[in-house]
Amino acid sequence: QVQLQESGPGLVRPSETLSLTCTVSGGSISSYYWSWIRQPPGKGLEWIGYIYHSGSSNYNPSLKSRVTMSIDMSKNQFSLTLTSVTAADTAVYYCARNPMGAYDYWGQGILVTVSS
Amino acid sequence: DIQMTQSPSSLSASVGDRVTITCRANETISRYLNWYQQKPGKAPKLLIYAASTLQGGAPSRFSGSGSEMDFTLSISSLQPEDFTTYYCQQTSRIPHTFGQGTKVDIK
Repeated sequence: QVQLQESGPGLVRPSETLSLTCTVSGGSISSYYWSWIRQPPGKGLEWIGYIYHSGSSNYNPSLKSRVTMSIDMSKNQFSLTLTSVTAADTAVYYCARNPMGAYDYWGQGILVTVSS
Repeated sequence: DIQMTQSPSSLSASVGDRVTITCRANETISRYLNWYQQKPGKAPKLLIYAASTLQGGAPSRFSGSGSEMDFTLSISSLQPEDFTTYYCQQTSRIPHTFGQGTKVDIK
């Protein structure tokens, strides 16, 4: 059974950089697309982007200037970096797997609060 | 971006009712449409992909239909565990946008 687990700081100061890691267990990261999705408290879901095992990536144009994703095959992990954060970036961040366009396995989510 | 609009935004129903949620795209997306169920404090769970294919492990009372711009999620007989929020998502074009959600609560 594939499992995903997000990790990283739960509090980030405004203007600083948010960095999260998703660890995949029960399956290899060397296939499929691997994604990040976020959900502000009490609101809907926003797609951030995905990275392929080859390292190629695609980001939401609304965040593209601030987002970078990377993948570490040796650790079966992929990561999200979001620069210059503001309070609007406060959200639960989910990592997910998406084979063939459907997001079938998700992490439990990690709440990241942007505050001084 | 492709805009996904769900209706209604919320509905009240009873156990055993048949419920239908609609999702409309503002441009054609073929059948690149997924449905998710999200319970409070939990990650979304994939129910339906490619508009009408039931994800493994999802109950058969859930079904999806539609193509191009108009899609529906139906629940044939609501169970107590179905009272929660549902989202549609298109994966035809980047970014993979979601609908705003439909909350199903108990009448």
